[in-house]
Amino acid sequence: EAQVTQNPRYLITVTGKKLTVTCSQNMNHEYMSWYRQDPGLGLRQIYYSMNVEVTDKGDVPEGYKVSRKEKRNFPLILESPSPNQTSLYFCASPIAGGSAYEQYFGPGTRLTVT
Amino acid sequence: AQSVTQPDIHITVSEGASLELRCNYSYGATPYLFWYVQSPGQGLQLLLKYFSGDTLVQGIKGFEAEFKRSQSSFNLRKPSVHWSDAAEYFCAVASTGGGNKLTFGTGTQLKVEL
Repeated sequence: EAQVTQNPRYLITVTGKKLTVTCSQNMNHEYMSWYRQDPGLGLRQIYYSMNVEVTDKGDVPEGYKVSRKEKRNFPLILESPSPNQTSLYFCASPIAGGSAYEQYFGPGTRLTVT
Repeated sequence: AQSVTQPDIHITVSEGASLELRCNYSYGATPYLFWYVQSPGQGLQLLLKYFSGDTLVQGIKGFEAEFKRSQSSFNLRKPSVHWSDAAEYFCAVASTGGGNKLTFGTGTQLKVEL
């Protein structure tokens, strides 16, 4: 079954404590991306990766880092989280052989920064 | 820059009634359009997509959407709503200019009255 998985699903942390949200896909696609969802704003792209070792900024990259060392994994790193990064985060990837625009989303990670 | 407008923040319908959720987009070229649904506490599920061809597209769960270029719209419809359709619905347009970014509307929250 084609899947995008994220861990953890829920995370409460304090300002400044580095954290990593993992994302893994078994759909064998080169493209992966991260979005954040905030009430009244919809989803906004944070970073994306066109392939291994190829990453680029989306619309709201400030305060985030990513890496893409393997095809299936695309972790999101918050080196010094702040309360304005409290949000619901989604990782997404297309299915291999399908359109790169048709993206499937993980279950989400709800992050609270106090 | 592309944008998506969902003018209705909340909609309430009675079970069995028909449903239409509005979506207007702004994009210079032929758009790739999507509707996603998010049930409470869940991730986003792709309902349907439009890339080209027939302007009336069928999706899962009995939903359909019609692409109208002249009105820059991609409204979602369902002939008879079920209580389980209560969720938040997001319209999105894909950027074909690089990054494969999905630009989302702010969502429409659907409530179904029994």
